[in-house]
Amino acid sequence: TQLLEQSPQFLSIQEGENLTVYCNSSSVFSSLQWYRQEPGEGPVLLVTVVTGGEVKKLKRLTFQFGDARKDSSLHITAAQPGDTGLYLCAGAENYGQNFVFGPGTRLSVLP
Amino acid sequence: DAGVIQSPRHEVTEMGQEVTLRCKPISGHDYLFWYRQTMMRGLELLIYFNNNVPIDDSGMPEDRFSAKMPNASFSTLKIQPSEPRDSAVYFCASSFSPGQGNQPQHFGDGTRLSIL
Repeated sequence: TQLLEQSPQFLSIQEGENLTVYCNSSSVFSSLQWYRQEPGEGPVLLVTVVTGGEVKKLKRLTFQFGDARKDSSLHITAAQPGDTGLYLCAGAENYGQNFVFGPGTRLSVLP
Repeated sequence: DAGVIQSPRHEVTEMGQEVTLRCKPISGHDYLFWYRQTMMRGLELLIYFNNNVPIDDSGMPEDRFSAKMPNASFSTLKIQPSEPRDSAVYFCASSFSPGQGNQPQHFGDGTRLSIL
C-alpha cells in the first residue's frame, strides 16, 4: 500500500520569502501530481511529473521529481498571498489512474 | 466548459437519516472518483469507476456506504444510516484517460456533510 508523507504540515511565511515543501514515500511512482486546494473548493492540478529527476517550472513554482521516483519537492520563489492554500501531492503506480494523496502542507503567506 | 458539478453543497441532517450525494462529471471523462476529506485523515479515496463500472471500492468505510453510476453523466454516493463520524467534505472528481495514466483529476467543489 502506498503511503505519502508531506512536510512540513503547516507553514506560515511573509510575502516575498522562498519556501520548499516535500513529498516522500517508500513506494516508486509512475507519476506524481501536485495540487493546490483553496478553502471551499476542490483541489486543482498544478503539475504532473513522470520521469526521475524531472524538473518543471510554473512561473514562480519549481517542481522536482526524485531520481528514484519516490519523492518530490515544490519550491516557491517570492511567495505571494495568492499562494496561500493546501498543497497536496498524489502518486500513482503502474501508470494507473488511481492516485493516492498525501496529507498536504497548509501554506499561509502573510502580506 | 462546465466542471464537475456536485450537489448539494451543504447537507446537515440527523444521525440515522439517509444521505445522498450527487455528482455530474465532465462530459467525455471516463473515470469518476469519490473522495472524503477530513482534517484528521486528509483526502481519502472511497471508490472509483471506469466507464460506469466500479473498479475499486476498497476505500468504502463500511456497508452503510454505497455508490452507483447508472450512466456516464451521473453518480451518487449514499450513506444509510448516517452517523456523526461520517461528517466530512465529500468530493467527486473525473478524468479522461486515453489508454495511459497521468491525466489530471478535475474536482468538484465538494459537499460539506454534517451529521448531528
